[in-house]
Amino acid sequence: NAGVMQNPRHLVRRRGQEARLRCSPMKGHSHVYWYRQLPEEGLKFMVYLQKENIIDESGMPKERFSAEFPKEGPSILRIQQVVRGDSAAYFCASSTGDRLMNTEAFFGQGTRLTVV
Amino acid sequence: GEDVEQSLFLSVREGDSSVINCTYTDSSSTYLYWYKQEPGAGLQLLTYIFSNMDMKQDQRLTVLLNKKDKHLSLRIADTQTGDSAIYFCAEMGGGSYIPTFGRGTSLIVHP
Repeated sequence: NAGVMQNPRHLVRRRGQEARLRCSPMKGHSHVYWYRQLPEEGLKFMVYLQKENIIDESGMPKERFSAEFPKEGPSILRIQQVVRGDSAAYFCASSTGDRLMNTEAFFGQGTRLTVV
Repeated sequence: GEDVEQSLFLSVREGDSSVINCTYTDSSSTYLYWYKQEPGAGLQLLTYIFSNMDMKQDQRLTVLLNKKDKHLSLRIADTQTGDSAIYFCAEMGGGSYIPTFGRGTSLIVHP
């Protein structure tokens, strides 16, 4: 059983381009969480999704950022028109239920986005 | 909003005990966690404690919770070089399903 898989591991984009980050949860997990880790900072919650539904997006910037978790396929975090301030490590976590930690959530290895 | 504070760095000698401290502000916190992040890797859940507990021990790890002072600590006995990593404290309040993380403490273990 593979863990949470994120790809790509590293992504370089020029300012103004789009970044698409993918997260495949662990088998049997239907809850996905995205976090952002800025340099020298902790993890900031972005969005919580279940299959085909966004449950909580209170941590998502209002513009340029979107997330989806379709019925089939990975969860996608999409950043349009990237700016240098978007450079960060983006982590995905998955769990079986809605109490993230109580159901032993697992984190992926992250995607490190660099905007040049 | 809720806040979780940790010191940024801790340096210890191999074989000594390490104590990483964390304070939080949400008095309704139900679960408190310690995660470990090795360089270039994701987060690994080390241990967690319920708010109705004072202490939890798991091999070399001891978690102490002072709910009155909203203070959480992680003690690593016989610290090894392989313990060098960033340790994140996180809390989740009653009724919430989204944990709040601290900035992480970089533990450096030297010979």
